[in-house]
Amino acid sequence: GESVGLHLPTLSVQEGDNSIINCAYSNSASDYFIWYKQESGKGPQFIIDIRSNMDKRQGQRVTVLLNKTVKHLSLQIAATQPGDSAVYFCAEKRGFQKLVFGTGTRLLVSP
Amino acid sequence: DVKVTQSSRYLVKRTGEKVFLECVQDMDHENMFWYRQDPGLGLRLIYFSYDVKMKEKGDIPEGYSVSREKKERFSLILESASTNQTSMYLCASSRQSPNEKLFFGSGTQLSVL
Repeated sequence: GESVGLHLPTLSVQEGDNSIINCAYSNSASDYFIWYKQESGKGPQFIIDIRSNMDKRQGQRVTVLLNKTVKHLSLQIAATQPGDSAVYFCAEKRGFQKLVFGTGTRLLVSP
Repeated sequence: DVKVTQSSRYLVKRTGEKVFLECVQDMDHENMFWYRQDPGLGLRLIYFSYDVKMKEKGDIPEGYSVSREKKERFSLILESASTNQTSMYLCASSRQSPNEKLFFGSGTQLSVL
């Protein structure tokens, strides 16, 4: 069945630390993955994406790693800031135009 | 700046009422989506549309219908609202190419009493 899951429902870090949010996916045929950030009272916002022909992609302070062997995706946030506090979702593309989302991880950043 | 606008931020309806949730996007996107978001369940796809007057069922279409008469507007309809449809509803849009990110609206929190 469908499964895009996150290992930790809540992650608490100190400001300035690096954060790592993990995601497992079940469909080895998925070829596109996205990370979204959702702040309280807002819709999800795109952070970064990666195609299955890549292992790593970097953005501004964020890096996504894809391990197809174990079907694992991670989002790394460098020098985490209070403004990074949010719920983070991974999503995988299954079929034409269809994204399947994980259940989300809440990131709490303490000053 | 890209924008997906949902007409209501909060709605309170009674069981059995017909409910319309409206969504408008200004990006000329071909694809539009309706998701519901529930704690612990993430986002689940209700319906999507890849063209005007076209619609496809998502993972949980039961109890819902949709309408797409114009490219920029996608409506979600609850024919007879029930308490288990109390949820956050999120509209999204995207371009029609193989790997395109979705742009989301701010959501409508619907309570059915």
